[in-house]
Amino acid sequence: DAGITQSPRHKVTETGTPVTLRCHQTENHRYMYWYRQDPGHGLRLIHYSYGVKDTDKGEVSDGYSVSRSKTEDFLLTLESATSSQTSVYFCAIRGFLAGSTDTQYFGPGTRLTVL
Amino acid sequence: AQSVSQHNHHVILSEAASLELGCNYSYGGTVNLFWYVQYPGQHLQLLLKYFSGDPLVKGIKGFEAEFIKSKFSFNLRKPSVQWSDTAEYFCAVNPNSGGSNYKLTFGKGTLLTVNP
Repeated sequence: DAGITQSPRHKVTETGTPVTLRCHQTENHRYMYWYRQDPGHGLRLIHYSYGVKDTDKGEVSDGYSVSRSKTEDFLLTLESATSSQTSVYFCAIRGFLAGSTDTQYFGPGTRLTVL
Repeated sequence: AQSVSQHNHHVILSEAASLELGCNYSYGGTVNLFWYVQYPGQHLQLLLKYFSGDPLVKGIKGFEAEFIKSKFSFNLRKPSVQWSDTAEYFCAVNPNSGGSNYKLTFGKGTLLTVNP
């Protein structure tokens, strides 16, 4: 267990509304990542963070922004949700669990539906 | 940019059959390689990983993978599958360089269905 929680776990919203998803970790990991998972596309990186206030874009960052004001929380915001952003969103941390190195561990996911 | 190809979209096997899922990547440098599994309705879990050393890597639940550098491949194998192996399997690659920020590139996944 990597100590990662995501909230909310499920959300239904309407097109044009802002949405914020939260990823929370308890192990003080420096690196955090947001992915989206869509059928036929696997997981694609949206944004990632390599420290407090240090973030960068991933492969599919358009329409998303992120913030990391403290180590334990990484927020993903959809400024104006669109139906194409209906997806399952996973947060991940780069961790060193059980003596391992350079491995990403994933949270439980947030299922977002944009109507 | 690197990319990962998983050749099989959906594999259907009977219990006790042998499994091999293909994974090829495109990247000219040194890489770290991973296989993740996602059981229905759950998040991704690490099956195994390769960083360096012995190219035959053993993971959890009887899975293993072989890194063949000359073929840019990292195929997943299991000698005898069980119904409980029904899941989606993802191959992922991370360039082994300091500037990569440890970002993973995933394949599109292979859905494995094991019939009892």
